[in-house]
Parts: sequence; C-alpha cells; structure tokens
Amino acid sequence: QVQLVQSGSELKKPGASVKVSCKASGYTFTTSAINWVRQAPGQGLEWLGWINTNTGNPTYAQGFTGRFVFSLDTSVTTAYLEISSLKADDTAVYYCARQYDNWHDDGFDFWGQGTMVTVSS
Amino acid sequence: DIVMTQSPDSLAVSLGERATINCKSSQSVLYTSNNKNYLAWYQQKPGQPPKLLIYWASTREIGVPDRFSGSGSGTDFTLTISSLQAEDVAVYYCQQYYSDPLTFGGGTKVEIK
Repeated sequence: QVQLVQSGSELKKPGASVKVSCKASGYTFTTSAINWVRQAPGQGLEWLGWINTNTGNPTYAQGFTGRFVFSLDTSVTTAYLEISSLKADDTAVYYCARQYDNWHDDGFDFWGQGTMVTVSS
Repeated sequence: DIVMTQSPDSLAVSLGERATINCKSSQSVLYTSNNKNYLAWYQQKPGQPPKLLIYWASTREIGVPDRFSGSGSGTDFTLTISSLQAEDVAVYYCQQYYSDPLTFGGGTKVEIK
C-alpha cells in the first residue's frame, strides 16, 4: 500500500536550518509528483511547491524561493524539504503529498503524517 | 493566482441532516479541452493530515462513503454530506489544481448541532 512517512518533529533556533524527509513506499517513486504543504498552528493549508520525481525539477510557490529547497534521493525513494535561515513564522506542520503522476494535474491522493517544525529561541 | 473562497466558515448540523459547503474560485478551473474541473475536496480531522474525498469536482475517491458528493463547474462548487455522521466532524478544504500556485480555500469547520 502507498505510504509517505515523514521524519520527526524538530525544534530549531531562528537562523538555523532544518531538513524534513518524506520516505515513499508501495509504488514506483519516480512516477508520482511530490508536493509540499504547510499548516501553521490553527491555520489553513498553504502550498509550497512541488518536485517532478522523474526529472528532479522543483517548482516553488512565490514566497518560497531561496530559503526553501526541494530535493530527492531516488535510491531510497525519499523526498526532502530543506529550509534555511529559519524564522519564527516558519513554525508549522509540514506535509508531503503525492499526486498520482508527474503531470501535476491531480488532487493529492496520499499524504505524509506531517512534521512539526518549531522555531523558537 | 486563483483565490478559493469557501463558505460558511463553520456550520453545525444535526446528526442525519444534510451539510452543504460552498467553494468559489476567482477564475474558472474548467479545462475546456477535456471538460474537467480541476477541483478537489479534502477532509481534515484534528491531528491528522488532510484526506482526499473528491477530485475532478465530483469523482469520489476510492473508499469514501457515498454520503459525500461534489458538484459544480467553472467557478462555483459544492460539497454535500447527505446525512451527517459523528465521524464527519472535521474541517473541509477545497483546492484548485488548474494552475500554479495550487491554492486551497480557507476551510469550513463542520460540527454536530
């Protein structure tokens, strides 16, 4: 069965970096896009962007360029989100979510369990 | 960017009664070449990730109970829960995947009256 399993919660100081992993299983990793979505405490869902798992090409939403980097390690079927120069308002649950194929024209059919990133001094 | 506006923000419905959630997009999400609306609905319960309920505006995901239905086209969409069950208490989000940036509605919280 399809599963996306994310790394555990992180507590970081402002200015630090964090790398969140999203381990995929149960399907052919390079045929399905991975999206990243965040949810600040008590707030709604915000799309950060996506990565084509066949080409490795990332696309970032406006406001998430520069400090946010999407990457892949296809040998271990894992996608990564790295955030640098962390700020307090980066505090959120970060989700990875799959789209069925790399055409990026589907709903998100499977989600990771979420990774809580807390930025606090 | 396509702005997704949901209404109401919250609603309380008696068990067994109908719940209706509306979602309006700032521009059409209907792709005329294939006549598909690039619109999905998700359910999120506390402490859980969102769950896909409906895609292409009206296609139910496998395993989703048939009391959930989606309708609408173009810019106006509706999620209906025909007979509310206790386990349907959640926040519901619409999302457009017509164009980047993909965007979500603000969410509608459904509670039991």
